[in-house]
Amino acid sequence: DAGITQSPRHKVTETGTPVTLRCHQTENHRYMYWYRQDPGHGLRLIHYSYGVKDTDKGEVSDGYSVSRSKTEDFLLTLESATSSQTSVYFCAISSGSGSDTQYFGPGTRLTVL
Amino acid sequence: SQQGEEDPQALSIQEGENATMNCSYKTSINNLQWYRQNSGRGLVHLILIRSNEREKHSGRLRVTLDTSKKSSSLLITASRAADTASYFCATDYTGANSKLTFGKGITLSVRP
Repeated sequence: DAGITQSPRHKVTETGTPVTLRCHQTENHRYMYWYRQDPGHGLRLIHYSYGVKDTDKGEVSDGYSVSRSKTEDFLLTLESATSSQTSVYFCAISSGSGSDTQYFGPGTRLTVL
Repeated sequence: SQQGEEDPQALSIQEGENATMNCSYKTSINNLQWYRQNSGRGLVHLILIRSNEREKHSGRLRVTLDTSKKSSSLLITASRAADTASYFCATDYTGANSKLTFGKGITLSVRP
């Protein structure tokens, strides 16, 4: 498996609280992605990064922010969590661009009460 | 949405049979990829086929791409119970700028 870890793996929080999810890679890949997976919607891109401090929005970026201060870490922050953000969040990495294979982390299950 | 669509949504077969899954998409692509997801796990890349390729093989997997019909098929031959998983197609649309667009997935159940 590609060296990708996500933390925490499970989290339960309350509406209105801030939440930060961490993705850590040991592959030195340039591209990193955050997706959410929900029943009936498949996998949807939230934000992605194409280098340190270089990020861009995906399909469902409202309510989320990201930061990448080091090659190996990509943080996803929910500034004020809502119940609609209850989901499973996956981080992925890619050495090239979207044309290349993406390697996925194990996921974080987030529940917002 | 430019999301690809997989067909069928669910498929149940007997061990040893072949499984065929289809993916259709809407605009021109650079490549198309298939991923597998076991329950409770992250996605795992299976195979990538480029827009100028028509067929690729990897072990028991065969992928075809028909750009004129904007469709792809994934064939798993001689299925095993361990092939039970969800399968996703993902497209790298021309001009998508380093992003893949995933379909909603196909649930494959292989009965022992």
